Amino acid sequence: EIVLTQSPATLSLSPGERATLSCRASQSIRNSLAWYQQKPGQAPRLLIYDVSNRATGIPARFSGSGSGTDFTLTIISLEPEDFAVYYCQQRSNWPQLTFGGGTKVEIK
Amino acid sequence: QLQLQESGPGLVKPSETLSLTCTVSGGSISSSNYYWGWIRQPPGKGLEYIGSVYYSGSTWYNPSFKSRVTISIDTSKNQFSLNLRSVTAADTAVYYCARPEYAYGMDDWGHGTTVTVSS
Repeated sequence: EIVLTQSPATLSLSPGERATLSCRASQSIRNSLAWYQQKPGQAPRLLIYDVSNRATGIPARFSGSGSGTDFTLTIISLEPEDFAVYYCQQRSNWPQLTFGGGTKVEIK
Repeated sequence: QLQLQESGPGLVKPSETLSLTCTVSGGSISSSNYYWGWIRQPPGKGLEYIGSVYYSGSTWYNPSFKSRVTISIDTSKNQFSLNLRSVTAADTAVYYCARPEYAYGMDDWGHGTTVTVSS
């Protein structure tokens, strides 16, 4: 089973700052990585698929990068609505899917 | 616009079976090449993928649940279902249904339904 490890667990930042979130896979998953945002009481929302492609309607301040086992989600300038929990998810052995443990981006 | 809606009991007794249904509207559940999945989230914790059913009826289950779970599809009702047997308090969670797409991800989710396991 492929394990995804996200770091840090919590990121304390101010609006306008840059957020860098990490997701590491226990083995190579090629480009089979997606990112989701979840706010309290809501279902997750797809942000990024296949490492770097923004989903429909996702603002350009969100970007993804990486390959193999190391991936990054970057929010170049945090807006108030970006404070949430972010999850990575892999599909390299489809239809098996696994999620990372999440990173909470909180207001400093 | 595809919509998914979970339904089922909010309270289940320990050792019993948790049964949930996801009703799909705005599209056909038997459209080719789609899986339909269940995800859960225990209180204050992360997301856990339970498993999925293909439009043809074939299934994949997370090994963590494999001995206890059954996911099925009813194309006549445009629904798919989750049965989780022998539940314990650790199965208390918000349960989501969603449609994973191979080359895209899960863009369509239900709102989630809270299931509490308690006597």
